[in-house]
Amino acid sequence: NAGVMQNPRHLVRRRGQEARLRCSPMKGHSHVYWYRQLPEEGLKFMVYLQKENIIDESGMPKERFSAEFPKEGPSILRIQQVVRGDSAAYFCASSADRDQPQHFGDGTRLSIL
Amino acid sequence: GDSVTQMEGPVTLSEEAFLTINCTYTATGYPSLFWYVQYPGEGLQLLLKATKADDKGSNKGFEATYRKETTSFHLEKGSVQVSDSAVYFCALWARDSNYQLIWGAGTKLIIKP
Repeated sequence: NAGVMQNPRHLVRRRGQEARLRCSPMKGHSHVYWYRQLPEEGLKFMVYLQKENIIDESGMPKERFSAEFPKEGPSILRIQQVVRGDSAAYFCASSADRDQPQHFGDGTRLSIL
Repeated sequence: GDSVTQMEGPVTLSEEAFLTINCTYTATGYPSLFWYVQYPGEGLQLLLKATKADDKGSNKGFEATYRKETTSFHLEKGSVQVSDSAVYFCALWARDSNYQLIWGAGTKLIIKP
């Protein structure tokens, strides 16, 4: 019974490079959420997607960040031209419907050199 | 807007002590309330939840009661173990929050043998 799978677990990038974070939701889940956790802080909502659609991206920075959830394959959170301040843990969650509990992956820890 | 406030950590207790982690919330609607736990280096696991006033969520010896009159959802456990050491997050979810999970900052719990 696979849960939410995120990869990679750890990602190191140099300033200016692109970071791609992947999330495969639980089987049967079509709703995906991305959160960012800065050190010693709680989680901040970034974006909510449902297969091929962005439902709410109110937590996404206006530039450099984008997310998609294609019909086939995992959800991707893309960060272009990374900066030091992007260093954080990025968590993905999925749910069976928008009013069902969210289940979390183990996160991707992004470090920017 | 909706918000969650947790007691600051770290909370340090001896094994078998009684645990309370306070959580209060502000919401315009009728939210569902959650406690998630994050063990070191891992993602978040749903610990317990309550969806309406006076509901009590319980799991693994932890429990929390949804108190609408005091807008609280305090986490309690009668006898903690070293393995309970983790960060605990209180969160709310409400339709008025556009289905986002709104998070507290987290409380780090350290249990000493």
